[in-house]
Amino acid sequence: DADVTQTPRNRITKTGKRIMLECSQTKGHDRMYWYRQDPGLGLRLIYYSFDVKDINKGEISDGYSVSRQAQAKFSLSLESAIPNQTALYFCATSEQVNEQFFGPGTRLTVL
Amino acid sequence: AQSVTQLDSHVSVSEGTPVLLRCNYSSSYSPSLFWYVQHPNKGLQLLLKYTSAATLVKGINGFEAEFKKSETSFHLTKPSAHMSDAAEYFCVVTSGAAGNKLTFGGGTRVLVKP
Repeated sequence: DADVTQTPRNRITKTGKRIMLECSQTKGHDRMYWYRQDPGLGLRLIYYSFDVKDINKGEISDGYSVSRQAQAKFSLSLESAIPNQTALYFCATSEQVNEQFFGPGTRLTVL
Repeated sequence: AQSVTQLDSHVSVSEGTPVLLRCNYSSSYSPSLFWYVQHPNKGLQLLLKYTSAATLVKGINGFEAEFKKSETSFHLTKPSAHMSDAAEYFCVVTSGAAGNKLTFGGGTRVLVKP
């Protein structure tokens, strides 16, 4: 079984809709992250959390919010989706200063 | 502040020939550096990492990278490309001072010709 899972894997939605992307991990890591990937830009950090009570903005947090429901769960929400939020979204986990482990990604299309 | 520049957005090689993916970084503190690979429709997989130990780092699938502080480079190489190496590769920098936040390069897409 995968250590980091994301649901849904693919989603098509319309402008203005609220959408939530979910991430779960079984690695027991305290640190969790949300990224978006756009062609030619690599991955950019949206939000990150170092434990259940700690939430921090990344470099591109505008238009997004997150919730850390438990050590193992970290959700990303788009309150009112817009077309330029069409991207591939990745969740990741890590232990302290170390490599991050990535989920399989969620492909989101906003029409 | 930290940044990463991958000097080639696309690299095309023939199967059995060497692969070189170039990466330059900028970091105000002692960095940790990583190479990740992303196969089509897959997540990211760690190839190798440098964390201030040996400057020549060996990774999975025959890849290796050399940390050169004087050149601020961390180039990825493989002596003989295989068809399964066709993927996108990301060079990544982080440091403790950056709170373990990763900064990604723009990626290099590798095409392997038969």
